[in-house]
Amino acid sequence: GAVVSQHPSWVICKSGTSVKIECRSLDFQATTMFWYRQFPKQSLMLMATSNEGSKATYEQGVEKDKFLINHASLTLSTLTVTSAHPEDSSFYICSAPLGGSTDTQYFGPGTRLTVL
Amino acid sequence: GENVEQHPSTLSVQEGDSAVIKCTYSDSASNYFPWYKQELGKRPQLIIDIRSNVGEKKDQRIAVTLNKTAKHFSLHITETQPEDSAVYFCAARVSGGSYIPTFGRGTSLIVHP
Repeated sequence: GAVVSQHPSWVICKSGTSVKIECRSLDFQATTMFWYRQFPKQSLMLMATSNEGSKATYEQGVEKDKFLINHASLTLSTLTVTSAHPEDSSFYICSAPLGGSTDTQYFGPGTRLTVL
Repeated sequence: GENVEQHPSTLSVQEGDSAVIKCTYSDSASNYFPWYKQELGKRPQLIIDIRSNVGEKKDQRIAVTLNKTAKHFSLHITETQPEDSAVYFCAARVSGGSYIPTFGRGTSLIVHP
């Protein structure tokens, strides 16, 4: 099946620093990727849709200046958490649909962000 | 927009028993319903899905049923095993285009040996 990777798998940073998370589709191209945030024992909350070659679409309540998304190529999307604070600590997961349809989503392994 | 309700939030069963997780959705236009299994600290993985032109789908010990009229769908796991222990998420979306799935809140399934 299709593989989506994320890097890093975990990161610990000081408050006020910025953290970049990469999401890659390893064996297929993805013009669209999705970024989710997941708190412990909670569901996946969609943050934004990353579109190759154009601006990301953010869900209501998600600050686009706080969570910068860049879809630089057909296989790479990055999420940068700017000026991170402890409340940004969470599990961030990306997903990419296989093929033209978004029915089948493949998830990355997730990135555990801890802000001290 | 779509709203997906999932119950129960926690389900504890003995090994060998059956487990049923139920979801309801609000948007009658939704026609694709995937189920994901997420083990602790790992990525969600698709385990089974169903489209609205089908009422039931089965894959070994896992089955999903869909009632379009009532707008609810269920995941059935038979002969549960300890390795079935995980969080299960249902989702609903409109197939095709750029519509994004809406996820339920998840069910933590615990299978006791």
